[in-house]
Order: sequence, then C-alpha cells, then structure tokens
Amino acid sequence: AQRVTQPEKLLSVFKGAPVELKCNYSYSGSPELFWYVQYSRQRLQLLLRHISRESIKGFTADLNKGETSFHLKKPFAQEEDSAMYYCALQETSGSRLTFGEGTQLTVNP
Amino acid sequence: DTAVSQTPKYLVTQMGNDKSIKCEQNLGHDTMYWYKQDSKKFLKIMFSYNNKELIINETVPNRFSPKSPDKAHLNLHINSLELGDSAVYFCASSQLGGYYEQYFGPGTRLTVT
Repeated sequence: AQRVTQPEKLLSVFKGAPVELKCNYSYSGSPELFWYVQYSRQRLQLLLRHISRESIKGFTADLNKGETSFHLKKPFAQEEDSAMYYCALQETSGSRLTFGEGTQLTVNP
Repeated sequence: DTAVSQTPKYLVTQMGNDKSIKCEQNLGHDTMYWYKQDSKKFLKIMFSYNNKELIINETVPNRFSPKSPDKAHLNLHINSLELGDSAVYFCASSQLGGYYEQYFGPGTRLTVT
C-alpha cells in the first residue's frame, strides 16, 4: 500500500534562512506528488504539484525516484510562510490522495 | 464566491446523537470527497463520489453514511456519535480523473462530549 512520510512534525527557522520540508513516499509505481498548505484559519490549498514543474511563492520540489522523496525547498524563508504543509501522493490518474502527517513550519522574525 | 462550502462550521453534540454535515461546491466538479483530520492534524480520506456514485469507501464505521443528492452536494451523516468521532471534517472536490487539484472546504469542527 502507498504511504507518505513527513519525518518532521515541527520545523522552526529564522526569516531569510533556507528551509527544506522532507517528504518520502513508498509506492511501487510512478505516482504523482503534491504539496498542500494550510495557513492559519484558512482552508487547505494546493501549493504545487510535480507534474507542473512550477515554483510557487519561491517554493520548489524535486521528485527523486531513487530516494522516493519529494522534498519542498525555499532558499529564503519569509514569516508569511508559517503554516502547516502536507505532502500528498496520487497513485494513478483519478485515484485518491494519500497525505503525509504534515509539518508545521514556523518562520521566526 | 465560495468554491466549496460546508455547514456548520462548528458542531458540539453529545454521545449517541445523530448529526449531519453538508457540503456544496459551485465549481462544476464531478468528484467530491470527505476527509477526517484528527487531533494530531493527520488527514485521511473517508469517502469519494463521482457523479453521485460512491467510488472510495475507506475503513469507516457504518455509522458514517455519505449522501450525494446531486453532483454539487455531498453530505455526511453520522449516527450514534462517539467521543472518537471528534475531529475536523473536510469536504473537497476536483475534476474527474487526471491529476487535478483538490479544492477544500473550510472544515467542520465536530466535538462530541
């Protein structure tokens, strides 16, 4: 069965520092990976997806099939990046999303 | 305009009661979902509907029954509420098939006392 692991429940960095939120997955096929974000008092929303190869709000994520990872990175964290981040996996087109446990990122001034 | 809406936002009730949570989306999506977020913020799929047809039914107690009167609505009815049902329930919708973004509702915080 597919599984998504985010090893850090809490992550705290200072403003301007680089940040990396780790995500590892286990799935035998070629899944699609996503990062969703939940800002305080807001609904969960898509941040970026692997298939789009895009950078959103300065965040990027590279799919490493050898290490089965999809870590989220930003070179210079901002206070407004403080939020809960979820990595998610979709096995095949149209199938369910499996979420990781989430990482609460706090960016300190 | 709100894309995915849920009512109520907060629900406090006693053990043994029956309650419903409503969800509506105005995005024209064919697929709707219910997720449960527990106290540790872990998100897990409960149900998925495509065009009013049940597609995914995870290992959820029979006390939980989703109902989709039309493709824009997916309601969740819970019978005989238990303390462990306390959680935040999120509704979401997406286009059918593909690797599309899921749009989430604001959540319903259910507290069972």
